[in-house]
Amino acid sequence: AQKVTQAQTEISVVEKEDVTLDCVYETRDTTYYLFWYKQPPSGELVFLIRRNSFDEQNEISGRYSWNFQKSTSSFNFTITASQVVDSAVYFCALSEETSGSRLTFGEGTQLTVNP
Amino acid sequence: DADVTQTPRNRITKTGKRIMLECSQTKGHDRMYWYRQDPGLGLQLIYYSFDVKDINKGEISDGYSVSRQAQAKFSLSLESAIPNQTALYFCATSAGTAPYNEQFFGPGTRLTVL
Repeated sequence: AQKVTQAQTEISVVEKEDVTLDCVYETRDTTYYLFWYKQPPSGELVFLIRRNSFDEQNEISGRYSWNFQKSTSSFNFTITASQVVDSAVYFCALSEETSGSRLTFGEGTQLTVNP
Repeated sequence: DADVTQTPRNRITKTGKRIMLECSQTKGHDRMYWYRQDPGLGLQLIYYSFDVKDINKGEISDGYSVSRQAQAKFSLSLESAIPNQTALYFCATSAGTAPYNEQFFGPGTRLTVL
């Protein structure tokens, strides 16, 4: 069965610090997809990134970067030079090839960036 | 206008009452989902629908039912609400059949059962 674990329940940093959010997943499928979503205080969920299991290339988008390592079943998310607006709950999620488009979410990490 | 809308946005009800949460989308997606969010548990899938004639149970379907009235509308019902159904409920949509398609979420409905 698929499972996603975000061991960090809450993280608090000071503005301009770098912060990494951990995500570890379990799956028996060889083809799967990993996602990160952001939930700001307003409550909506915003899609950030998708990565498929055959593409281990890291990705950078502005201050955001993602490190995908199949060897450790991890898909970690780093925010560089954090800002107060980055304060949100961040969810990692997994979709398996055999489960269609069903998503399994991790528990979420509450990130607070203090000025 | 938002692509995925949910009504109501907030609802307080009493134990035993029947409640319906509604979701509409203008994205033209075939797939629709209902999730609930509880603190510390992430989002859990209640029901999902791949098209109007295809409805499937998710991880936590007990106590809930759904209706897909049209491609654009997917309703979630609590036949007899109980306090542990107090949660934030999200509707989502996705395009096509591929598992790599991201889901687009509505703004959420905060339900409180007293």
